[in-house]
Amino acid sequence: AQSVTQPDIHITVSEGASLELRCNYSYGATPYLFWYVQSPGQGLQLLLKYFSGDTLVQGIKGFEAEFKRSQSSFNLRKPSVHWSDAAEYFCAVGPSGGYQKVTFGTGTKLQVIP
Amino acid sequence: DGGITQSPKYLFRKEGQNVTLSCEQNLNHDAMYWYRQDPGQGLRLIYYSQIVNDFQKGDIAEGYSVSREKKESFPLTVTSAQKNPTAFYLCASRKVQGTYDYGYTFGSGTRLTVV
Repeated sequence: AQSVTQPDIHITVSEGASLELRCNYSYGATPYLFWYVQSPGQGLQLLLKYFSGDTLVQGIKGFEAEFKRSQSSFNLRKPSVHWSDAAEYFCAVGPSGGYQKVTFGTGTKLQVIP
Repeated sequence: DGGITQSPKYLFRKEGQNVTLSCEQNLNHDAMYWYRQDPGQGLRLIYYSQIVNDFQKGDIAEGYSVSREKKESFPLTVTSAQKNPTAFYLCASRKVQGTYDYGYTFGSGTRLTVV
């Protein structure tokens, strides 16, 4: 069975500092990996996804993520955080092809301090 | 602009009452999903539908029902059998072409509270 672990429930960073949110997954084959962001009281928005090819993936809002198969990780990074990045971030894993189930992590809530 | 519309944004349910949450999409996506979100638990799949007139149970379908009579619409009914319905409900659609997954598009959610 596929699973996703986001070990950090809350993270606080200063505005302008770098950010890394951790995501570890469990999946038997080549997974599809996603990062979504959710502002309070809103739906989720897709930041980026990985399926194959270059293991460093660029997304919207200046985010990137790196797929490391040997570590079963797909960590999200941003070089310089802005106050508007405060939100909850979800990592997700799913199989390639078809409409099969995607499993979401429990989320990491990011607080940005001035 | 294409997207997913969920209504209402806030909904209050009395004990023993059925309520229906609306979800409409104009993205022409085949698949639609309902998720429930509780603090600290991430998203849990309630029901999903890949084509019109067909749907499958997710991980927590008990106490919920759905229909998919039109491609654009996937309403969720929270029945009186759902004992703890207070949560944030998210509807999503998804486009897949072959092995390429475009990812989910989510609505802005409905917050259901039992009063």
